[in-house]
Amino acid sequence: GAVVSQHPSWVICKSGTSVKIECRSLDFQATTMFWYRQFPKQSLMLMATSNEGSKATYEQGVEKDKFLINHASLTLSTLTVTSAHPEDSSFYICSAIPTGDDEQYFGPGTRLTVT
Amino acid sequence: GEDVEQSLFLSVREGDSSVINCTYTDSSSTYLYWYKQEPGAGLQLLTYIFSNMDMKQDQRLTVLLNKKDKHLSLRIADTQTGDSAIYFCATPEISSGSARQLTFGSGTQLTVLP
Repeated sequence: GAVVSQHPSWVICKSGTSVKIECRSLDFQATTMFWYRQFPKQSLMLMATSNEGSKATYEQGVEKDKFLINHASLTLSTLTVTSAHPEDSSFYICSAIPTGDDEQYFGPGTRLTVT
Repeated sequence: GEDVEQSLFLSVREGDSSVINCTYTDSSSTYLYWYKQEPGAGLQLLTYIFSNMDMKQDQRLTVLLNKKDKHLSLRIADTQTGDSAIYFCATPEISSGSARQLTFGSGTQLTVLP
């Protein structure tokens, strides 16, 4: 149990376009999901906390207008990278916490390449 | 905030033991975690230890916790090539509400040589 999926696994897009990444909890409900960014050979950097039914909480230095987060249901959070640029190329990982629990379950990640 | 540090690289021979070290600053951490990340994949929880424990063993994995020195280690016995990955230690930060954010170390790239 406690499986988290991400879609797509990888995406290549042109500069200036927007890309949406989905994070789904497949067999549990998650009030809270986290979005992380990971550069090659570096640790995970928390971008934002996604809360179902309310606005996401962004970490310092993360542009909320560039990285739009929508947590519309208890099993789905989406991250939209708007007007993507090559410096947005990265590995984006989400995690989900089952409602009433503290354990984080991680998705497999999405590799974004902006050309 | 919490600061978690790890050495970046470790190479061992197949069959030897691997020891990955981690230091942290927040003494109020109640759990400490070890995650494994294989190339191009997300994080897999390997094991965790409660702060009131000194040691936890789970098959080939042994976690040692020295609370006085704020030092955590992960020992992998009989290391195999499939153990090659990046290993992250992580501690939770108590945020407002019930959900906990994690602070990750920089990750240790373990390379197992045949």
